[in-house]
Amino acid sequence: DAMVIQNPRYQVTQFGKPVTLSCSQTLNHNVMYWYQQKSSQAPKLLFHYYDKDFNNEADTPDNFQSRRPNTSFCFLDIRSPGLGDAAMYLCATSRPGTRSSNEQFFGPGTRLTVL
Amino acid sequence: GEDVEQSLFLSVREGDSSVINCTYTDSSSTYLYWYKQEPGAGLQLLTYIFSNMDMKQDQRLTVLLNKKDKHLSLRIADTQTGDSAIYFCAENQAGTALIFGKGTTLSVSS
Repeated sequence: DAMVIQNPRYQVTQFGKPVTLSCSQTLNHNVMYWYQQKSSQAPKLLFHYYDKDFNNEADTPDNFQSRRPNTSFCFLDIRSPGLGDAAMYLCATSRPGTRSSNEQFFGPGTRLTVL
Repeated sequence: GEDVEQSLFLSVREGDSSVINCTYTDSSSTYLYWYKQEPGAGLQLLTYIFSNMDMKQDQRLTVLLNKKDKHLSLRIADTQTGDSAIYFCAENQAGTALIFGKGTTLSVSS
């Protein structure tokens, strides 16, 4: 089945130690998104790639970076995780178009713990 | 910025109907969505409605849209214990970004 895969599902890191979260998709969608979801809050968009074009949200901290080496893969790098970065990180994909609902397909998420 | 508002909790008994409400603020939103999130899982799209529609029905789910009041609702008929989850309303802005509400936790008791 076509899907969005996130690895790992659970990640524990130490304060200040860089960490990379991975997302891959078999849907061949051209847009990939990273959301941060803290406990009892709405998912918040960090950035997205429209094909190779990177779009950063204005309030996304510089500590968060992303890479998209090809259509299928997208990475979220947290350069120096702080305690406040502990959250669920959700990857999503879509294929916008004039006749499309712009439906976003989500992966299962990676829960990040910062010690 | 634009805010999507939802009530935080809803508790119903198995077999009853559930109605989850949402208000949004961007009248230019093209699509409005309902996502379901089970504990520890990602978001699953339940249904969506195009902004020129008033109602959409899909099996046990009915979505009502009142554009004048910017009000969206999701009705789940014959609610089951497996429907217990967090339900997020979301609107589409600028063709790519989704703006989510904080989610409504639906608790179904048997």
